[in-house]
Amino acid sequence: QTVVTQEPSFSVSPGGTVTLTCGLSSGSVSTTYYPSWYQQTPGQAPRTLIYSTNTRSSGVPDRFSGSILGNKAALTITGAQADDESDYYCVLYMGSGIWVFGGGTKLTVL
Amino acid sequence: QVQLVESGGGVVQPGGSLRLSCAASGFTFTSYGMHWVRQAPGKGLEWVAFIRYDGSNKYYADSVKGRFTISRDNSKNTLYLQMNSLRAEDTAVYYCAKEEYSNSWRPLYYFDYWGQGTLVTVSS
Repeated sequence: QTVVTQEPSFSVSPGGTVTLTCGLSSGSVSTTYYPSWYQQTPGQAPRTLIYSTNTRSSGVPDRFSGSILGNKAALTITGAQADDESDYYCVLYMGSGIWVFGGGTKLTVL
Repeated sequence: QVQLVESGGGVVQPGGSLRLSCAASGFTFTSYGMHWVRQAPGKGLEWVAFIRYDGSNKYYADSVKGRFTISRDNSKNTLYLQMNSLRAEDTAVYYCAKEEYSNSWRPLYYFDYWGQGTLVTVSS
């Protein structure tokens, strides 16, 4: 059973930069997994941030960026703002019509 | 603009059944695959099922395989999730989500637009 791993929590200072990662319990994440990232605040539906590793969804500010760092997918927030405080989820496409979410990262801005 | 509106959630006893609907508008429903994603209270997101644009192929998470059935009625622009043999662990908000393609109609394998979700509670 493939597990997609994310840091459970992270904190960043206002104006700072933070990189959240998305890995695999076994193996490396590459662009062939089409990693995508979603932001969710309590009680709200997820908002799509990044798809296909590094493409920003429409309306997403350019301080959000995606990449592959080593053997993981990464979401970097540059110049963090208070309203970036949210849960962040990555998803990997495993092939054969199967998607797997990571457990999510709770980001605190303080 | 794209709108996805889920309905059909509610309280059901363990072992019971429920059918969720997702009414789609603002895009050519017949051209896009659709997903169901769920979120248990206080937990993370879990992909549940996917159906291709024409209903020709359906895929499920292991946790629901054999109990849930995804379907669509392209004449009504509506996606469905039939849930049978429900368990307490199926309690969640269920979201429908649309897939997206590149300009050359290559699938991009992500969730483009999301509905607001409908709550399913499995409890006696």
